[in-house]
Amino acid sequence: GDSVTQMEGPVTLSEEAFLTINCTYTATGYPSLFWYVQYPGEGLQLLLKATKADDKGSNKGFEATYRKETTSFHLEKGSVQVSDSAVYFCALTENQGGKLIFGQGTELSVKP
Amino acid sequence: NAGVTQTPKFQVLKTGQSMTLQCAQDMNHNSMYWYRQDPGMGLRLIYYSASEGTTDKGEVPNGYNVSRLNKREFSLRLESAAPSQTSVYFCASRPGFTQDGNTIYFGEGSWLTVV
Repeated sequence: GDSVTQMEGPVTLSEEAFLTINCTYTATGYPSLFWYVQYPGEGLQLLLKATKADDKGSNKGFEATYRKETTSFHLEKGSVQVSDSAVYFCALTENQGGKLIFGQGTELSVKP
Repeated sequence: NAGVTQTPKFQVLKTGQSMTLQCAQDMNHNSMYWYRQDPGMGLRLIYYSASEGTTDKGEVPNGYNVSRLNKREFSLRLESAAPSQTSVYFCASRPGFTQDGNTIYFGEGSWLTVV
């Protein structure tokens, strides 16, 4: 079945460092891909998305490109801030109305 | 902008008690979902409803039942709570059949403890 695999955390970075969180997927068909962020004690918020191959999603300085050839959707940010400390989830959706599949989440901790 | 609303936000149950988690969305979405979140395991799908009138099992359905009461509401019931069901529960919805059909919207979560 479809699945999402994320790099294990926790990831600890200093402020202004470059961030990469790896995400790879297996899927039949043409899924849409998402990154969600969860701040402590809160629900999940959509960070960015891409709906077809080669699309780049971006928001708040974060970017991810839908790479069908490598089945990847890695999250990047050029300069992280302490306020970016959170858990990040990669996810995919099957066709309209179908299941939503999440990775296990990657905890990011940014130190001043 | 209510979005996806879950109740209750916090609940403590004794083993064997029953309860229902309520979820409602005001975005006219077709699909609704219940997930549980446990440390180190991400989000796991319990049940989902692709459209009004249908429900399907997800990855971890045992011990739960669901009802898609109407297009807006999707409830999750624990008939006989067990300590293994201590978790954070998230309801989510998705348009399903529109241009933005694949974007998922989450509620704020319900923290459930079974003692």
